[in-house]
Amino acid sequence: KQEVTQIPAALSVPEGENLVLNCSFTDSAIYNLQWFRQDPGKGLTSLLLIQSSQREQTSGRLNASLDKSSGRSTLYIAASQPGDSATYLCAPWNAGNMLTFGGGTRLMVKP
Amino acid sequence: EAGVVQSPRYKIIEKKQPVAFWCNPISGHNTLYWYRQNLGQGPELLIRYENEEAVDDSQLPKDRFSAERLKGVDSTLKIQPAELGDSAVYLCASTRQGNTEAFFGQGTRLTVV
Repeated sequence: KQEVTQIPAALSVPEGENLVLNCSFTDSAIYNLQWFRQDPGKGLTSLLLIQSSQREQTSGRLNASLDKSSGRSTLYIAASQPGDSATYLCAPWNAGNMLTFGGGTRLMVKP
Repeated sequence: EAGVVQSPRYKIIEKKQPVAFWCNPISGHNTLYWYRQNLGQGPELLIRYENEEAVDDSQLPKDRFSAERLKGVDSTLKIQPAELGDSAVYLCASTRQGNTEAFFGQGTRLTVV
């Protein structure tokens, strides 16, 4: 059974800092890995999808890397802004269309 | 193109009462998921449909939970009777066949009192 761990569980930083959010998973036989953002009281918004054959994927100030063999993914946020405050969730895809979530990292960016 | 639509957004019920949630996936998405998210935790899978067939319901508490996806489009998740521990956000997601990027609805926040 896939188990996903996200570190840190919570993070509070001043505006402008570059951030690294970590995700580790136990079953490396994944097809893809998806990063989501969740605002309080809202659903999940897809940020990035990394194919298993890719090493990284970029969207604006976000960059996600994937090291499938070691069971790790990292989400890098450049020049953080207060609007980035949210919970970030990592979810690897396994065979059978199985999407398993970590507990998330709650990010607060202070002005 | 409309996203995944869920209703209601919020529901407050007394314990032992029944409740139902509805989900309309993105048009053309044949895989539909129901997840439950407890406060401060990541979502956990309850059931997954491929078209109208439930292919993974191992985490669905079948004594009180039921789900259906008639005609392979809309889906309904039901709880009867509800318990205090069922208070959570219930999320619906869908994907297109062969494309493992999932899209989620806004969720239904259930409070059982």
